[in-house]
Amino acid sequence: DGGITQSPKYLFRKEGQNVTLSCEQNLNHDAMYWYRQDPGQGLRLIYYSQIVNDFQKGDIAEGYSVSREKKESFPLTVTSAQKNPTAFYLCASSMPRRRHANTGELFFGEGSRLTVL
Amino acid sequence: GIQVEQSPPDLILQEGANSTLRCNFSDSVNNLQWFHQNPWGQLINLFYIPSGTKQNGRLSATTVATERYSLLYISSSQTTDSGVYFCAVVDNFNKFYFGSGTKLNVKP
Repeated sequence: DGGITQSPKYLFRKEGQNVTLSCEQNLNHDAMYWYRQDPGQGLRLIYYSQIVNDFQKGDIAEGYSVSREKKESFPLTVTSAQKNPTAFYLCASSMPRRRHANTGELFFGEGSRLTVL
Repeated sequence: GIQVEQSPPDLILQEGANSTLRCNFSDSVNNLQWFHQNPWGQLINLFYIPSGTKQNGRLSATTVATERYSLLYISSSQTTDSGVYFCAVVDNFNKFYFGSGTKLNVKP
């Protein structure tokens, strides 16, 4: 089935450690996104990428890094520089409709819950 | 960036009641979506509705792009409708903007 797979679903990390969250999509979408959600809050954009080997910072990029070496993959690294990394992380993708400068529908993975001990 | 405001922030309904959720946005948009976040955190696509009206079972949505708002109607609500409803719009650079959500609690 086509979709977005995030792993791991749950992750525990000690303070000072880097951790990488995986996001893979087989929808052939060009654009991919990472969002952070804190309890009872909305979604905040961390990074997004519209094509391979290119990505842009979102609203809360500090303490995070990404890569986009393949179209289907957009891993997120939470570095030790991120002061409050405990959160729910959501990956999403869409296929921009370039012809009319419209953007296609956004789809989400099931999320990864990161807890820092 | 585009400002997205959702109302009400919280809503409590008795099972079987109807409700209307509103999403206002500050600029012209090419895309508007409604999502339902279930208690496990999963975001489910409800409607992709840049303009016009769509219906899917007990849910329907209307977007009036010229007046910069969208409405989500839930009829005959069920306990499984509980969760948080988000609307999202996108700018010409393929960046999505989300509202802060409406938290719905449907009581049996």
